Amino acid sequence: GAVVSQHPSRVICKSGTSVKIECRSLDFQATTMFWYRQFPKQSLMLMATSNEGSKATYEQGVEKDKFLINHASLTLSTLTVTSAHPEDSSFYICSARDILRNTEAFFGQGTRLTVV
Amino acid sequence: DQQVKQNSPSLSVQEGRISILNCDYTNSMFDYFLWYKKYPAEGPTFLISISSIKDKNEDGRFTVFLNKSAKHLSLHIVPSQPGDSAVYFCVVRGSTLGRLYFGRGTQLTVWP
Repeated sequence: GAVVSQHPSRVICKSGTSVKIECRSLDFQATTMFWYRQFPKQSLMLMATSNEGSKATYEQGVEKDKFLINHASLTLSTLTVTSAHPEDSSFYICSARDILRNTEAFFGQGTRLTVV
Repeated sequence: DQQVKQNSPSLSVQEGRISILNCDYTNSMFDYFLWYKKYPAEGPTFLISISSIKDKNEDGRFTVFLNKSAKHLSLHIVPSQPGDSAVYFCVVRGSTLGRLYFGRGTQLTVWP
């Protein structure tokens, strides 16, 4: 099946610094990528939808200036958590949709962010 | 507001028996339904799906049933295996950009 690679798998950073997470579709072109956040024992919450070459669409309550999303190519989207704080510590997951297979989305392996 | 509800946070089944995971949704406009499986510290992996024009889809040990009038779907795993132990997410696809709505998940434990 299609592969989505997310990097890094885990990161620890100091409060106030910024962290970039990459999401790559390895064997297909993804016009749309989604960024999710998962809190412990809770569901995946959609943060934003990233479209190649255009601005991301953020869900209500998600700060666009804090969670910067860039989707510069059909295979790469990045999420930058700016001025991270301990409450930003979470599991972040990206997914990508194959434009030739307009159904299922493939997920990256997730990034565990810990802000200390 | 949860558009997708998985009311059972956990399910424990003996190996070889049937596992039945249930899901309810609120919006009758949803047209595509999926089940994803997730292990700790990993991203979800696609398991099986069904479109709103069908009421059943089978793939090996996995069968998904859709009851549109009740806005209910279920995933049957038979026979269950210890390797099936994971969190199962019920997911529905909305019409806008294929946005996915996730349930809270059900932790399935299959014991020998």
